[in-house]
Amino acid sequence: AQTVTQSQPEMSVQEAETVTLSCTYDTSENNYYLFWYKQPPSRQMILVIRQEAYKQQNATENRFSVNFQKAAKSFSLKISDSQLGDTAMYFCAFYRNTDKLIFGTGTRLQVFP
Amino acid sequence: GAGVSQSPRYKVAKRGQDVALRCDPISGHVSLFWYQQALGQGPEFLTYFQNEAQLDKSGLPSDRFFAERPEGSVSTLKIQRTQQEDSAVYLCASSLLRGTNEKLFFGSGTQLSVL
Repeated sequence: AQTVTQSQPEMSVQEAETVTLSCTYDTSENNYYLFWYKQPPSRQMILVIRQEAYKQQNATENRFSVNFQKAAKSFSLKISDSQLGDTAMYFCAFYRNTDKLIFGTGTRLQVFP
Repeated sequence: GAGVSQSPRYKVAKRGQDVALRCDPISGHVSLFWYQQALGQGPEFLTYFQNEAQLDKSGLPSDRFFAERPEGSVSTLKIQRTQQEDSAVYLCASSLLRGTNEKLFFGSGTQLSVL
């Protein structure tokens, strides 16, 4: 069975600085997808970034980028130029086609002014 | 609608009561998922619908949990004889595509508190 581990329960960063959130996963599959979701206090899960495992190039979305290390089964999220609105819970998630999303336990990110 | 809508936003139930949680997916979305998110945890899969067909209910924790989507749009998650361990946020998500979690749109959830 696939598992997703987020070892940082809480992180904090000053506005405009860079922060990296860690995620590791365990799978015997070769083709899969990895996601980072943001969950603000409104509780709505918002997709931040997505990575296909067959792509070697790391995904980027504006200030958000990932460091995908397939052999190490590591998938970290880097947030550059942090903004107050980035304060939220961040969840790493794993998906294999026709299966279900498997989430980690989350990292609470606090951005300070 | 513009997004996935869930109601009620908050629900308080006495232990032993039955509750019904509603999800209105984005119009035209084929796939619909229910997730349970306990306090301090990530969401965990409960069940999946493709149109009106419930294709996977492997995540439902007990036979007290029942979900339906009779016309392939609105879905209801029903919990009978609620227990304290049922307290959680119940998230609904929908997707335009069939059988995939690639582009999921989530609602804001229903926070259930069982006293």
